[in-house]
Amino acid sequence: QSALTQPASVSGSPGQSITISCTGTSSDVGSYNLVSWYQQHPGKAPKLLIYEGSKRPSGLSNRFSGSKSGNTASLTISGLQAEDEADYYCCSYAGYITYVFGTGTKVTVL
Amino acid sequence: EVQLVESGGGLVQPGRSLRLSCAASGFTFDDYAMHWVRQAPGKGLEWVSGSSWNGGSTGYADSVKGRFTISRDNAKNSLYLQMNSLRPEDTAFYYCAKDPRAHLGIGALDYWGQGSLVTVSS
Repeated sequence: QSALTQPASVSGSPGQSITISCTGTSSDVGSYNLVSWYQQHPGKAPKLLIYEGSKRPSGLSNRFSGSKSGNTASLTISGLQAEDEADYYCCSYAGYITYVFGTGTKVTVL
Repeated sequence: EVQLVESGGGLVQPGRSLRLSCAASGFTFDDYAMHWVRQAPGKGLEWVSGSSWNGGSTGYADSVKGRFTISRDNAKNSLYLQMNSLRPEDTAFYYCAKDPRAHLGIGALDYWGQGSLVTVSS
């Protein structure tokens, strides 16, 4: 159960698009279309952004989108806004009733 | 409105036990799987354990397997985490989270509580 690999930090200017990668293995990300993404502001609980790879919860901005290719999943934030500055985590089902989170990415809005 | 409220955290000595509780409201508790996720101060998220809607199927991270036990009481709309043989590396905020599905392995974590801090230290 090794953590999925994410870049430690990603930055962008307001209005730009950024992409956060999440690399796993053929035992987790590569085997299941069950990657989810979470946003966490300092001192707050995480919030679900994407589930089952590319689906958004009802009411969530369509600026957030998810995709997957092989063992790597990605979260794209388009039209970057100041309130998007936060930590982002991916998570994948890893089989045998276990889940694994990514290492986390700090997004900075310049 | 979905609400998840954790309780039971605190300071405990290494080797001792602690039981966390999560009180759920605002949804039909026994329709959904539930999870525990932890976060050491300043660190990333770690999935700890999950339970299907009726407790018939459970899963654990390798780091806690054999020491932690997840359970639920659907009549009381409550989820529990019994933590035994605690170690300093178990120090973390423990979050209770709801799954949008009844069974494990097909959903995500769509609502989270605010967390309960467990500190393991002598």
